[in-house]
Amino acid sequence: SYELTQPASVSVSPGQTASLVCSGDKLGDKYVSWFQQKPGQSPVLVIYQDTKRPSGIPERFSGSNSGNTASLTISGTQAMDEADYYCQAWDSISALFGGGTHLTVL
Amino acid sequence: QVQLQESGPGLVKPSETLYLTCSVSGGSIRTYYWNWIRQPPGKGLEWIGYISFSGTTNYNPSLKSRVNISLDTSKNQFSLKLSSVTAADTAVYYCARGTPGETAMVTGGYFDYWGQGTLVTVSS
Repeated sequence: SYELTQPASVSVSPGQTASLVCSGDKLGDKYVSWFQQKPGQSPVLVIYQDTKRPSGIPERFSGSNSGNTASLTISGTQAMDEADYYCQAWDSISALFGGGTHLTVL
Repeated sequence: QVQLQESGPGLVKPSETLYLTCSVSGGSIRTYYWNWIRQPPGKGLEWIGYISFSGTTNYNPSLKSRVNISLDTSKNQFSLKLSSVTAADTAVYYCARGTPGETAMVTGGYFDYWGQGTLVTVSS
């Protein structure tokens, strides 16, 4: 079965660039979404269809997808960006989520 | 602004059936795809399935034998029924709106609005 793999944790210093990755076989052939989830809150869509930002999502969030890896990049990371981030794609008819990456801003 | 709100029992006994309803406001239920997604405590997200505005359903293969999602357009609501529950079904259950991609949900569709989630515990 198809799987999306994410590192469990990533750390970044405030103001620096955070790069979160999601890997899967030929993932570049699929569209990827990214969700941000803070403790006790619902997930929030931050990137869809690889590179698009929903209204209200800051420009510092950007996405890419090629080969076997999709990436979420947060430029000028702020303390408020500390959260869990999940990638998601469709495999045939099923929606799949990665295991999530906890981003620590310190 | 589209809002979704889950409702239903917070405690279900093992082997019984879980019922949840999602009420949609601020937009019509007569378009888009309406999804259920769950998250066990301390774990990641799992897609359960969706129902389209036309009534077409699509379920996670791992849950398909136990899941039913229905739509009530007159009440702007959709519902989840999960049968024969066990402790492994304990989770926060979210309802979410799905916006289709190029041709359908499975071709680039995305989950753009989510409910606040409701915790369902399976225990005797």
